[in-house]
Amino acid sequence: DGGITQSPKYLFRKEGQNVTLSCEQNLNHDAMYWYRQDPGQGLRLIYYSQIVNDFQKGDIAEGYSVSREKKESFPLTVTSAQKNPTAFYLCASSRTTGGETYEQYFGPGTRLTVT
Amino acid sequence: ILNVEQSPQSLHVQEGDSTNFTCSFPSSNFYALHWYRWETAKSPEALFVMTLNGDEKKKGRISATLNTKEGYSYLYIKGSQPEDSATYLCAFGPDRGSTLGRLYFGRGTQLTVWP
Repeated sequence: DGGITQSPKYLFRKEGQNVTLSCEQNLNHDAMYWYRQDPGQGLRLIYYSQIVNDFQKGDIAEGYSVSREKKESFPLTVTSAQKNPTAFYLCASSRTTGGETYEQYFGPGTRLTVT
Repeated sequence: ILNVEQSPQSLHVQEGDSTNFTCSFPSSNFYALHWYRWETAKSPEALFVMTLNGDEKKKGRISATLNTKEGYSYLYIKGSQPEDSATYLCAFGPDRGSTLGRLYFGRGTQLTVWP
């Protein structure tokens, strides 16, 4: 079955440690996205990538980093510079071609807790 | 950051009731409006992607309309069922060249349908 996987489902880290969240898709989608959800807030875009080896900052990129070395993979690193890293993180992907917009497909999410 | 507003924030209805929610978005630089359903413990799933003013889309008992000139979309559920209980998200896609494909999400409307 095609889809998006995120691992792990739950992640616990000590303050000051960097942590990398995994996101893999086998939908052959060009575009991939990372969102963060906090209680009472909408999904906020952290980073997105429309093609391999290229990515753009979203609205809340500070304290995060990404890479896009393969089409299928878009890992997100939460660095120690992120002031409030505890949150629910969702990865998504979509087709993207010039002049068209397509629905996004979401992974199951990773809940990160930093203490 | 573009503002996408959804109302109401939450809604409780009885099984069989019909209901509707509103999504407001910037009327300038419009490209697309997405609706997603997010059930508890699952991933958000796309309901509709709309791009044309006056668009009406339907999927079973759920339908949506779009007014890009005044910047709003309505989602209707006819004869609500308990399995319709979910958070309904709308997302606005602006026409901004290199940002094509990224979305701005509202905070969602949480619907609970009581049997």
